[in-house]
Amino acid sequence: SQQGEEDPQALSIQEGENATMNCSYKTSINNLQWYRQNSGRGLVHLILIRSNEREKHSGRLRVTLDTSKKSSSLLITASRAADTASYFCATDRASGSRLTFGEGTQLTVNP
Amino acid sequence: DTAVSQTPKYLVTQMGNDKSIKCEQNLGHDTMYWYKQDSKKFLKIMFSYNNKELIINETVPNRFSPKSPDKAHLNLHINSLELGDSAVYFCASSQVVAGEITYNEQFFGPGTRLTVL
Repeated sequence: SQQGEEDPQALSIQEGENATMNCSYKTSINNLQWYRQNSGRGLVHLILIRSNEREKHSGRLRVTLDTSKKSSSLLITASRAADTASYFCATDRASGSRLTFGEGTQLTVNP
Repeated sequence: DTAVSQTPKYLVTQMGNDKSIKCEQNLGHDTMYWYKQDSKKFLKIMFSYNNKELIINETVPNRFSPKSPDKAHLNLHINSLELGDSAVYFCASSQVVAGEITYNEQFFGPGTRLTVL
């Protein structure tokens, strides 16, 4: 399986609910990033968490990182229909190295 | 003020043809990438250039040849197109500074949807 696997593969919630997506990886990492991809568009960087950080916030986003479990979670609070997109985690093993993307979680927020 | 731009956005062509996709970034970044996203949305890196020098070259058929005339441009030429080349190709850029901790946040272009018939 790939470095960087998200679950669930698909998530459907109602507007106002919270959405939680998880990412697991296999090797040690330098950073872990989350990206969003709207249908037919390129990826947009959301948030980066370094390997020595455990939690990070940005607006309605909260990311956690557990390096002992090699996993991360992305929480979107008070979701909106505009949050409907695919969400990818991406890891890199060293500064400046390639990013390895997970398979993505398709989030649908129903109005 | 588009940060990373790609042309064309759509490309439909016959098997066996040769085609090119162009990418430009105006962010002043020193590193550019080509990714391929398949129909299941799996995103895989193909190439990366740092200051016009090839630094990542994944297991990609040699029908694919990247070219970086300067650090703001990274083009992708594909020879003898095959059905399996149909995908969305994304260009991205980031600022990677050697010897320092970097965040490697990548900025993506809008993608080029290639359809080989």
